[in-house]
Amino acid sequence: EAEVAQSPRYKITEKSQAVAFWCDPISGHATLYWYRQILGQGPELLVQFQDESVVDDSQLPKDRFSAERLKGVDSTLKIQPAELGDSAMYLCASSLLWGTGELFFGEGSRLTVL
Amino acid sequence: DAKTTQPPSMDCAEGRAANLPCNHSTISGNEYVYWYRQIHSQGPQYIIHGLKNNETNEMASLIITEDRKSSTLILPHATLRDTAVYYCIVSSQGGSEKLVFGKGTKLTVNP
Repeated sequence: EAEVAQSPRYKITEKSQAVAFWCDPISGHATLYWYRQILGQGPELLVQFQDESVVDDSQLPKDRFSAERLKGVDSTLKIQPAELGDSAMYLCASSLLWGTGELFFGEGSRLTVL
Repeated sequence: DAKTTQPPSMDCAEGRAANLPCNHSTISGNEYVYWYRQIHSQGPQYIIHGLKNNETNEMASLIITEDRKSSTLILPHATLRDTAVYYCIVSSQGGSEKLVFGKGTKLTVNP
């Protein structure tokens, strides 16, 4: 069964360092999402792509976070500089159709900022 | 903010049916009810969704009240592997509305 691939699975970094996460969605899925999940909370949408275009980044802290999906396939989420409050699980999801609520999530990348 | 209300936790005996309630009293006519679950340290997994009719698939059944203000997710024969956080979400389809996750219900299936 096709899956959303994410890496790294775990990342420990120090405050003020840069960190990047990679996501490869299910083949053919045009819509890609990055969510952040703080321990004990539900996932929160950071950014949504349709192909290579950003369609919603209203919750993305743009002073330190950036996301790209240059060829409309895989995507990278970057944090620079990392802060203690960025410690969380970063989840990538994809969906086949625009506007559908049926998302396929990866296993996530757990970030710890020291 | 999430448009749904769920109990924070529930317990269920293995082999019995698990009935997870969700209140969504402000749901609009074009909004669907979605259910996801998240097993510890994994990403959320889609379970089922519906508009107004009851739905069933290989994982679960979704019962939506006639006024659509509440719904129940039913796991007919819960197993230990069903222990997870279950999220009930309302969202419209066909537009840019995003899925807004609340805190969900932590279901613990006991042996």
